[in-house]
Amino acid sequence: AQKITQTQPGMFVQEKEAVTLDCTYDTSDPSYGLFWYKQPSSGEMIFLIYQGSYDQQNATEGRYSLNFQKARKSANLVISASQLGDSAMYFCAMRELRDFNKFYFGSGTKLNVKP
Amino acid sequence: SQTIHQWPATLVQPVGSPLSLECTVEGTSNPNLYWYRQAAGRGLQLLFYSVGIGQISSEVPQNLSASRPQDRQFILSSKKLLLSDSGFYLCAWSKQTYEQYFGPGTRLTVT
Repeated sequence: AQKITQTQPGMFVQEKEAVTLDCTYDTSDPSYGLFWYKQPSSGEMIFLIYQGSYDQQNATEGRYSLNFQKARKSANLVISASQLGDSAMYFCAMRELRDFNKFYFGSGTKLNVKP
Repeated sequence: SQTIHQWPATLVQPVGSPLSLECTVEGTSNPNLYWYRQAAGRGLQLLFYSVGIGQISSEVPQNLSASRPQDRQFILSSKKLLLSDSGFYLCAWSKQTYEQYFGPGTRLTVT
């Protein structure tokens, strides 16, 4: 089974609006971390936000927030007030404590912000 | 602060030729190091990771190999490239319980 599933290959959002990128994960390890990365057309992977499995509150970093629903095993990324520079690929990833050397990545979502 | 370097940035190599991609990390010690490959428009495929000098774990059997001759140096190699080796190669580092940080990547085209 896939560890990380991103079901939206592509998304469009109007500039200044909010957008949610979906991510579901699969693990039996009670201790894990969830990450979101942004990959612009230049190719570099940029770390955005982290959520630990025991964190009580949703993580936030500026305009990025992670909607963590543990029972549903979902970790959606919410980008508020979209900007043209947000156009990029976005990847969800997970790391389990029992094998913390490995990171599992989803297939990504291509976000296009329209002016 | 920590930085990660990769070179070369782009590479065009004929089938059957050797390959050597280098990755170095500055500003941290004893990091975990990773090599990923990304095909065009796809996600990341973990190729190798290393938790210390000389310690390499291979995730995908293929004609690539990795070495870690120094604490902050990670090298990806091949003796004979295949067309299917084309892609975007990313090196990354992490400490034990935190996120990964990626290098700028190497775009490899095998012709």
